[in-house]
Amino acid sequence: AQSVTQLGSHVSVSEGALVLLRCNYSSSVPPYLFWYVQYPNQGLQLLLKYTSAATLVKGINDFEAEFKKSETSFHLTKPSAHMSDAAEYFCAVIEDGGATNKLIFGTGTLLAVQP
Amino acid sequence: EAGVTQSPTHLIKTRGQQATLRCSPISGHTSVYWYQQALGLGLQFLLWYDEGEERNRGNFPPRFSGRQFPNYSSELNVNALELEDSALYLCASSLLGGAYEQYFGPGTRLTVT
Repeated sequence: AQSVTQLGSHVSVSEGALVLLRCNYSSSVPPYLFWYVQYPNQGLQLLLKYTSAATLVKGINDFEAEFKKSETSFHLTKPSAHMSDAAEYFCAVIEDGGATNKLIFGTGTLLAVQP
Repeated sequence: EAGVTQSPTHLIKTRGQQATLRCSPISGHTSVYWYQQALGLGLQFLLWYDEGEERNRGNFPPRFSGRQFPNYSSELNVNALELEDSALYLCASSLLGGAYEQYFGPGTRLTVT
C-alpha cells in the first residue's frame, strides 16, 4: 500500500528564511503526489501536484517541490517565508495510480513563522 | 468560479442521533469525496462518488453512508452517532477519475455530545 511520511510535525522558521518541509513516499508504481495547506479552521488548499510531467513542480504562493525518485522524496520549499505562510501542510499520495482516487495523507507539518 | 461549498458549518448532535452533511462541488466536477479529520487520527478517506455511484469506500462502518444527486451534489449521513465521530468532515470534488487534483471545501465541524 502507498503511504507518505512527513518528517517533523513542527517546523519553525524566521520571516524571510527558506522553508523546507519534508515528505517521503512509499509506492510500487509511479505516484501522484500532492501538497496541501490548511489554515486554522479552514479546509485544505491545493499548493501543487506531481504527475510525472516534470520533476520540479511549481505551485501557488512561490512554493515548489522536487520529485526525487532515487530518494523517494517530494519535499516542499519556499525561498522566503512570510508570516502568512503559518499553517499546517500535508503531503498526500493517490493510491493505485488513480484507480481508487483515494488520497493518502501524511500526518502534517505545522509551520510557524517567527517575526 | 465558486469553490466547493459545505453545509452546515457546525453541527452539534447527541450520541445515537443521525447527522446529515451536505456538499456542492465545483461546477463541472462530477466526482465528490468525503474525508474525516479527527483529532489524533489525521485525514482519512471516507467515500468517493461519481455519476451518482459509490466508487470507493474507506475503512469506516456501514453507519457512514452517502449519496450523490443528479446535480452532482452529495450528502453524507452518519447514523447512530458515537462520541468518536466528532471531527471535521471535508468534502472535495474533482473532474472524473484519473487522479485529477481534488479541491476541498471548508468542512463541517461535527460535535457529538
